[in-house]
Amino acid sequence: GAVVSQHPSRVICKSGTSVKIECRSLDFQATTMFWYRQFPKQSLMLMATSNEGSKATYEQGVEKDKFLINHASLTLSTLTVTSAHPEDSSFYICSAIDREYEQYFGPGTRLTVT
Amino acid sequence: SQQGEEDPQALSIQEGENATMNCSYKTSINNLQWYRQNSGRGLVHLILIRSNEREKHSGRLRVTLDTSKKSSSLLITASRAADTASYFCATDPGGYNKLIFGAGTRLAVHP
Repeated sequence: GAVVSQHPSRVICKSGTSVKIECRSLDFQATTMFWYRQFPKQSLMLMATSNEGSKATYEQGVEKDKFLINHASLTLSTLTVTSAHPEDSSFYICSAIDREYEQYFGPGTRLTVT
Repeated sequence: SQQGEEDPQALSIQEGENATMNCSYKTSINNLQWYRQNSGRGLVHLILIRSNEREKHSGRLRVTLDTSKKSSSLLITASRAADTASYFCATDPGGYNKLIFGAGTRLAVHP
């Protein structure tokens, strides 16, 4: 089946720094990718829709200037958490849609901001 | 915003027993999906049931959908310790693959 990877799998950063998380579709092209956030013992919350070649669409309550999304190619979307704070510590999961409109999830990135 | 509510939030059973998890949603849907997530890991797609289907089976999994009640259930029969995970339902109200997840049920299966 289709594979979606995320890098890094874990990252620890200091408060105030920025962190970039990559989401790649390894064996298919994805015009649309999604970014989700999951706090401990909670469900996944959709943050934004990443469209190749256009601006991302953010869900209500998600700050677009804090969570920068770039979908530069059909196989790569990046999420940059700018000026990270401890409350941004979370599990970030991406998903990618293939040409058959099937959705595949990445393994997630655990971000810890100290 | 959360689309679905799931109950129970946590379920603890013995191996061999059946586990039933329920999910309710708020808006009309084209389909409903169930996912599994092991602790700290990504999601595994289990099963999709379309709005015109009432029941679907996949191995030890049985999913029902009641669109009049806006609810679905996931039954895992003859549970195993390896079934220990969190289970989420998800809907796509807008039809654009933007999934809205339920709160999830944490299942613990004890040997």
